[in-house]
Amino acid sequence: GAVVSQHPSRVICKSGTSVKIECRSLDFQATTMFWYRQFPKKSLMLMATSNEGSKATYEQGVEKDKFLINHASLTLSTLTVTSAHPEDSSFYICSASWRGSYNEQFFGPGTRLTVL
Amino acid sequence: AQRVTQPEKLLSVFKGAPVELKCNYSYSGSPELFWYVQYSRQRLQLLLRHISRESIKGFTADLNKGETSFHLKKPFAQEEDSAMYYCALTPSNAGGTSYGKLTFGQGTILTVHP
Repeated sequence: GAVVSQHPSRVICKSGTSVKIECRSLDFQATTMFWYRQFPKKSLMLMATSNEGSKATYEQGVEKDKFLINHASLTLSTLTVTSAHPEDSSFYICSASWRGSYNEQFFGPGTRLTVL
Repeated sequence: AQRVTQPEKLLSVFKGAPVELKCNYSYSGSPELFWYVQYSRQRLQLLLRHISRESIKGFTADLNKGETSFHLKKPFAQEEDSAMYYCALTPSNAGGTSYGKLTFGQGTILTVHP
């Protein structure tokens, strides 16, 4: 149980375009979803926390107008990278939890974004 | 603000040797500590958490509040233990926007040689 999927797994886009990444909890209702960015062989950097039905809370230094997060239902959150630039190329990972998971987060497999 | 430090970026041991992955944290309140593992080409997954006091895959970790450490140990490493290990912290009993928010260490790549 507690499976999280992400789509797409890999995306290549041109500079200036927008890209949407979906994160779904497949077998549970996620009250909270988190979005991370992972650099090669480095730590995960939390970008934002999203609670179903409310606005996402962004971490310091993360541009909310660039990284749009929507958590419209208990099983789906989306991250849209707007006007993408090559420096946005990264591995984006989502995770999900619910109050009954006692702070355990369940991670998606990640999405590799390459901006040309 | 909380911080998690994993001083070793890389750790290599031979199969059957003991292994210890270090984790230190700073947090003024009462923390909840986790170890997450990421095997090659797999997603991040929970290995263990301090409140459960379980031994998972032979790994144990004890929360030492005096030394603010949560080191991960295994007496006899196996080749399949090779992976990236992350120590993480969340404030326990936090409410509002802090609920469940994890702060990760930089990660340690463990390589177990045959």
